[in-house]
Amino acid sequence: QKEVEQNSGPLSVPEGAIASLNCTYSDRGSQSFFWYRQYSGKSPELIMSIYSNGDKEDGRFTAQLNKASQYVSLLIRDSQPSDSATYLCAVSFGNEKLTFGTGTRLTIIP
Amino acid sequence: GAVVSQHPSWVICKSGTSVKIECRSLDFQATTMFWYRQFPKQSLMLMATSNEGSKATYEQGVEKDKFLINHASLTLSTLTVTSAHPEDSSFYICSARTGTSGTDTQYFGPGTRLTVL
Repeated sequence: QKEVEQNSGPLSVPEGAIASLNCTYSDRGSQSFFWYRQYSGKSPELIMSIYSNGDKEDGRFTAQLNKASQYVSLLIRDSQPSDSATYLCAVSFGNEKLTFGTGTRLTIIP
Repeated sequence: GAVVSQHPSWVICKSGTSVKIECRSLDFQATTMFWYRQFPKQSLMLMATSNEGSKATYEQGVEKDKFLINHASLTLSTLTVTSAHPEDSSFYICSARTGTSGTDTQYFGPGTRLTVL
């Protein structure tokens, strides 16, 4: 069974610091990787997608993928209170459905 | 980014009644749509995968006769909760994929909060 694991947290980070969120996956053949943010009571919204090894940057967000280690991470620079949310890692292989992790709850402390 | 809408955003119904939830992709055609359920403080649970023009594929443990899914067009999928009971109260979220490949992005609708009295 394909699994995606995340530390459930809560992860507390001071405002302005870097928040680091980690995710590991079991299926070595996974090809597509996504990070979603979900505020309490709301649906998930896409932050980033990454498909190749290395880093991908978008504003304050950087996704990092290491397929050899089956590891994907999300870095949030200059963390803001509005970044406080649950972050979901999602992985897929081929045209299969996404497999989600259980999410990491992030709290940015002013 | 692509926009997915859901209607209604919240609904309260009596036990035993049926409720229909609509999911629309507003600015793209979605061959595949997904229906999720989320209970408080829990993760997303995939209920079914809906492909336009064909029968939905349900996840193990999801009753296909209770949760009827119709994907009649490339922009609309509906979920009908039949004979709803209080234990069906949950946050129902649909998502739509921009293409047929797993590399294509899934965008989520805003969700429908169902309360069954």
